Amino acid sequence: NAGVTQTPKFRILKIGQSMTLQCTQDMNHNYMYWYRQDPGMGLKLIYYSVGAGITDKGEVPNGYNVSRSTTEDFPLRLELAAPSQTSVYFCASSYSTRPGYEQYFGPGTRLTVT
Amino acid sequence: QKEVEQNSGPLSVPEGAIASLNCTYSDRGSQSFFWYRQYSGKSPELIMSIYSNGDKEDGRFTAQLNKASQYVSLLIRDSQPSDSATYLCAVRLLKGGTSYGKLTFGQGTILTVHP
Repeated sequence: NAGVTQTPKFRILKIGQSMTLQCTQDMNHNYMYWYRQDPGMGLKLIYYSVGAGITDKGEVPNGYNVSRSTTEDFPLRLELAAPSQTSVYFCASSYSTRPGYEQYFGPGTRLTVT
Repeated sequence: QKEVEQNSGPLSVPEGAIASLNCTYSDRGSQSFFWYRQYSGKSPELIMSIYSNGDKEDGRFTAQLNKASQYVSLLIRDSQPSDSATYLCAVRLLKGGTSYGKLTFGQGTILTVHP
């Protein structure tokens, strides 16, 4: 049971490039989330999904897109990378939103845009 | 006003002391409250969750929730150098009657436990 996995671990992008951050969970969780964490700050929600085929925006969605074609995978797409997207990106998943069900985080992707 | 606010750090305590971390939140409809520990360069790790008023104890950790005061705290007894980390308070908010499990995080408090 690998939990939540993310690839790549590190990436450097040039301004204007695009990339996809991969996230996979093997716990059959319906709910999946993408957060970003800027230095010295808490996490901010980018996008979330409540099941395959259903996604919605979080607090800071601009510059990102997501898709959820399977229960397991929730990739995050960056189009036209900008220096403001330099951050650490965490994917998380949860079986339910009811009390008692927690979010499990992946190891993160550290992205630098120069 | 920030939705979730933690006491500013960094917080430094000697080994064996009690570390007290505090968090306030603005939405009275908040349902669930979490404390995550995050070591440098690592992902957040859940250490405590609390859903009802009062205290919840787990080993050296005690979470305290006061919904009337919109306040949640984490006490770490017998602090160890291995407790040195950033502690994130997170709140699961209800907005518009719909909960999708979104967590709103505070900015984190850096704790250092010195020998």
